[in-house]
Amino acid sequence: EADIYQTPRYLVIGTGKKITLECSQTMGHDKMYWYQQDPGMELHLIHYSYGVNSTEKGDLSSESTVSRIRTEHFPLTLESARPSHTSQYLCASSKRREGSYEQYFGPGTRLTVT
Amino acid sequence: KNQVEQSPQSLIILEGKNCTLQCNYTVSPFSNLRWYKQDTGRGPVSLTIMTFSENTKSNGRYTATLDADTKQSSLHITASQLSDSASYICVVSDRGSTLGRLYFGRGTQLTVWP
Repeated sequence: EADIYQTPRYLVIGTGKKITLECSQTMGHDKMYWYQQDPGMELHLIHYSYGVNSTEKGDLSSESTVSRIRTEHFPLTLESARPSHTSQYLCASSKRREGSYEQYFGPGTRLTVT
Repeated sequence: KNQVEQSPQSLIILEGKNCTLQCNYTVSPFSNLRWYKQDTGRGPVSLTIMTFSENTKSNGRYTATLDADTKQSSLHITASQLSDSASYICVVSDRGSTLGRLYFGRGTQLTVWP
């Protein structure tokens, strides 16, 4: 079981609210990622980080923002939630293993915006 | 365009039976292929990883095969158990990516009935 945690696990919130999804890992991994996953669909990379003070946008355009002030912490923020943000958000971190990067996933946050 | 296609989309089998899931990819240059198991409401967990030179790899009742020439992989599950009910995701990474970028299939939703 990977040591990567996400809170909250489930969140139901009204339109226009500001939310922050927390992600933390205790493995000392430099690289961290945020994915968005809709039911029956593939994971889409929305943000990633090479390390402290490094953040980049992923393949899927997202209105969310991220920060990386500490190695172990990679929170995702939505300034004004909308129903279109309803989805599952998965955080991951990675280390080099067997010549490539092994990504370890958190349990996810299921977000519903009403 | 790098893509990963999985089939079937969903599968129902009886407990104790075997099944095989398929994955075709166009990711290039290829680095490795992983099969992940994702339980409902959880993050994906890695089952196997295969590099270019590997044809078969087993992890308990899970056996993955890779044909790098035809860019196909399969995951065979023997003597299925109720706990095998999950989504099985094929994930391919490209060579030389310092990010450890992954390309995800949409998964095969496996249901094991008693």
